[in-house]
Amino acid sequence: EVQLVESGGGLVQPGGSLRLSCAASQFTLSDYWMHWVRQTPGKGLVWVSRINGDGTVRTYADSVKGRFTISRDNAKNTLYLQMNSLRAEDTAFYYCARESHQLLSGLSYNYFDPWGQGTLVTVSS
Amino acid sequence: DIQMTQSPSSLSASVGDRVTITCRASHSISSYLNWYQQKPGKAPKVLIYAASSLQSGVPSRFSGSGYGTDFTLTITSLQPEDFATYYCQQSYTTLWTFGQGTKVEIK
Repeated sequence: EVQLVESGGGLVQPGGSLRLSCAASQFTLSDYWMHWVRQTPGKGLVWVSRINGDGTVRTYADSVKGRFTISRDNAKNTLYLQMNSLRAEDTAFYYCARESHQLLSGLSYNYFDPWGQGTLVTVSS
Repeated sequence: DIQMTQSPSSLSASVGDRVTITCRASHSISSYLNWYQQKPGKAPKVLIYAASSLQSGVPSRFSGSGYGTDFTLTITSLQPEDFATYYCQQSYTTLWTFGQGTKVEIK
């Protein structure tokens, strides 16, 4: 079964750092764009960052640009999110997700599938 | 960024009801619209991609329609396992954005 498993969440003080990991199984990570999405408890979903298959293209939401770094180790089949200068508003569940796609009439339609189970990051003093 | 607005934000329905959720994009997104279901404590799961294509393994009571800026998710006969929160999401631009969610509760 294709699966993503996140780890690395926890409680951190404002201004601190944390690194999240996302281990992929039953598929070759290097074949896919990968994303991080976060969700504040009780609230909606917000896209955070994406990275292409070989790690040469990375994109970030404005809210995390300059503080978060997405990376991947394809040999280890693992995706990472390094989070620095953390703020209270970064408190959320963080999900990794694979960008899957289907071709319809010659066009590629992309969506998140699968998602990991999520890891909770709490920024508080 | 493209803003996605869902309505209603919540609804109450009974088993067997037909349920419709709408999603509006702030700019045209062609058919680059996906729908996800999320149950409490779980990750979202894709139901519909490309506005109207049913993901493999998803029951046929779920359907999607729309193009451009206005989209709809329909559940034809609500089942007990369908009580959840539903999100639309656009993949037209590089920065993917979600709707705020529609919570479907038991009446």
